[in-house]
Amino acid sequence: NAGVMQNPRHLVRRRGQEARLRCSPMKGHSHVYWYRQLPEEGLKFMVYLQKENIIDESGMPKERFSAEFPKEGPSILRIQQVVRGDSAAYFCASSPRGPLDGANVLTFGAGSRLTVL
Amino acid sequence: KQEVTQIPAALSVPEGENLVLNCSFTDSAIYNLQWFRQDPGKGLTSLLLIQSSQREQTSGRLNASLDKSSGRSTLYIAASQPGDSATYLCAVRDSGAGSYQLTFGKGTKLSVIP
Repeated sequence: NAGVMQNPRHLVRRRGQEARLRCSPMKGHSHVYWYRQLPEEGLKFMVYLQKENIIDESGMPKERFSAEFPKEGPSILRIQQVVRGDSAAYFCASSPRGPLDGANVLTFGAGSRLTVL
Repeated sequence: KQEVTQIPAALSVPEGENLVLNCSFTDSAIYNLQWFRQDPGKGLTSLLLIQSSQREQTSGRLNASLDKSSGRSTLYIAASQPGDSATYLCAVRDSGAGSYQLTFGKGTKLSVIP
C-alpha cells in the first residue's frame, strides 16, 4: 500500500504558465481533499471530491483554479496563469469513507511544492 | 468562522523532558479534533483523533486531551526523544451537516536536543 502519492513533489513555473498537480489516493479510497499551505500559514481547505464529483469547493479561489477526480486516474488540481501568490505547498488527502463518519481519518500525501518565479 | 491557535510557535527541550503543546479554538461546536505531525518535506501523519464526546486519547507516549467547552486541547509528550522533533499541527472539524473542512492551526515546531 503506497499511501497517497502526489506528483510532482516540486514544480517551478513562471508567471502566466499553468500548473498541474496530481494526487493518487490510497487504494480503496474514493474521497479526496486538497489543502494549501502558504508560507508561515496553516493548511487551508480548498476542495473535496468524490469520484467524478466535486462535493465542496468553497475553499478554492473562484478564478484560475479547478479540480477534478475522474473515474479513472488521479485527481488533478489545475492552476491557470499562475502568479507569485500561488507559491505554496499543496497537500492531497484521501479517506475510505465520507467525512460524516466519525472514525474517518484522512491520510495525507507528502505534498507538491509550487514555486512561481 | 472557526479559528485555531497553537502556542508556542516553537519549542526547544532537552531529551527526556515531558512537554505540553497547546491548541485553542474559537467555536466549541466541533465534531472532532485531530493532532498531526509534519516532518520537513513530508506529509502529515495523524497522531490522535478525539471525538467531541471524548475527553482524551492516548497512544504510546502521547496523550491528547479535549475540553470542548473552553475550546482547548493539549498534546502531552512524555520522555521526549530527538525523533520527536517535528511540527505538530492541531486541526478541528466543525459539527453540522456539510462540514467537511478541517481548520488547522499554524503548528508548534518542536526541537528535542540530544
